Amino acid sequence: GQNIDQPTEMTATEGAIVQINCTYQTSGFNGLFWYQQHAGEAPTFLSYNVLDGLEEKGRFSSFLSRSKGYSYLLLKELQMKDSASYLCAVIDAAGGSQGNLIFGKGTKLSVKP
Amino acid sequence: DGGITQSPKYLFRKEGQNVTLSCEQNLNHDAMYWYRQDPGQGLRLIYYSQIVNDFQKGDIAEGYSVSREKKESFPLTVTSAQKNPTAFYLCASSTGPPWAQFFGPGTRLTVL
Repeated sequence: GQNIDQPTEMTATEGAIVQINCTYQTSGFNGLFWYQQHAGEAPTFLSYNVLDGLEEKGRFSSFLSRSKGYSYLLLKELQMKDSASYLCAVIDAAGGSQGNLIFGKGTKLSVKP
Repeated sequence: DGGITQSPKYLFRKEGQNVTLSCEQNLNHDAMYWYRQDPGQGLRLIYYSQIVNDFQKGDIAEGYSVSREKKESFPLTVTSAQKNPTAFYLCASSTGPPWAQFFGPGTRLTVL
């Protein structure tokens, strides 16, 4: 089966570091994405991992372990504007549907002063 | 500027009416997608198209229809057969690998 799990909600303090975890089970794996979605808006692309390890992009980093079916998104120096939902998505490589993403339900992050 | 546009941003319809949501992209992407998002839910795939004149049902295609006559356009019709059409509809496009999907601003449909 195909399943993606991430915590429903998290709270963190401005200036701190927060790690949002994602575990997945898919019949095939061709990469993992993280998206940010502010309330009432469309998701925006944050990061892409296809090989094991850490990808760093400014204040945001994403880590992948394919053997463990695990990823995390690390946000440093949190700002109030980082309050949003963070969606984990995995490429569905099964059935010839190249490019289709399976999305988790998202983690709603609240950053407090 | 390259991007994806959806119109309108807000749409109100009476129950029993069909309604068509527009999605246009000038990114030269081959693949396009339609998702539905309900409060507290993840994105659910309605239809997708990987090439012009071809499209496939997603997980929740019942009550919806699409067409892909041009590479740039992928309109979605919400028919009266869709039992609970009030939702936030998102269109996306991608090319790949790596197949990152880029989203339009969305259309919030309310059926009264």
